[in-house]
Amino acid sequence: NAGVTQTPKFRVLKTGQSMTLLCAQDMNHEYMYWYRQDPGMGLRLIHYSVGEGTTAKGEVPDGYNVSRLKKQNFLLGLESAAPSQTSVYFCASSYRPGTSGIGVGQYFGPGTRLTVT
Amino acid sequence: GENVEQHPSTLSVQEGDSAVIKCTYSDSASNYFPWYKQELGKRPQLIIDIRSNVGEKKDQRIAVTLNKTAKHFSLHITETQPEDSAVYFCAASMGGTDKLIFGTGTRLQVFP
Repeated sequence: NAGVTQTPKFRVLKTGQSMTLLCAQDMNHEYMYWYRQDPGMGLRLIHYSVGEGTTAKGEVPDGYNVSRLKKQNFLLGLESAAPSQTSVYFCASSYRPGTSGIGVGQYFGPGTRLTVT
Repeated sequence: GENVEQHPSTLSVQEGDSAVIKCTYSDSASNYFPWYKQELGKRPQLIIDIRSNVGEKKDQRIAVTLNKTAKHFSLHITETQPEDSAVYFCAASMGGTDKLIFGTGTRLQVFP
């Protein structure tokens, strides 16, 4: 199993350009997440999905859109990139928690380093 | 809003010594507390987790403790080795949901 994979690994954009980051998982996980990681700020949740066809906002959703058309894929879009979106983007996935409602571990992809000039 | 505070931000220890990283959380509904290790340029990797119905969990040289009353949890690494050098993140589930809030990380350096 490849686990969680992300495409591309690196990207440089000019301000105003658009792009889509692709996340794929082969673990049959229900839940998928997009985070950004900035120095000194840990990981912050952008958007997440609890199943195919569903998405929801996280802590820092502004400037991003997502889609989950297939269970194994979760796409993150930047419609008009800004320098403030320079970051490392991580995708993660997890199983649906059991009936106890207690959380389960999230498994991360290798990350995409995005620079917006 | 909910937040997770993590201390210290950097920690240097001699090989063989113990290391302790502490986190506090604000949301009393949090029920899941994972710890991640991130080596330079790599992805965060889940190393241990604890659920609210357990006070302590151990896996070889690493252990985690949880004090729900005080809303804090800690990571303990014993007999540290140079390969333990990394950034460690704690996290807490948000409002009993599956979303996680992460601490800001602790850079652990283990000197031979």
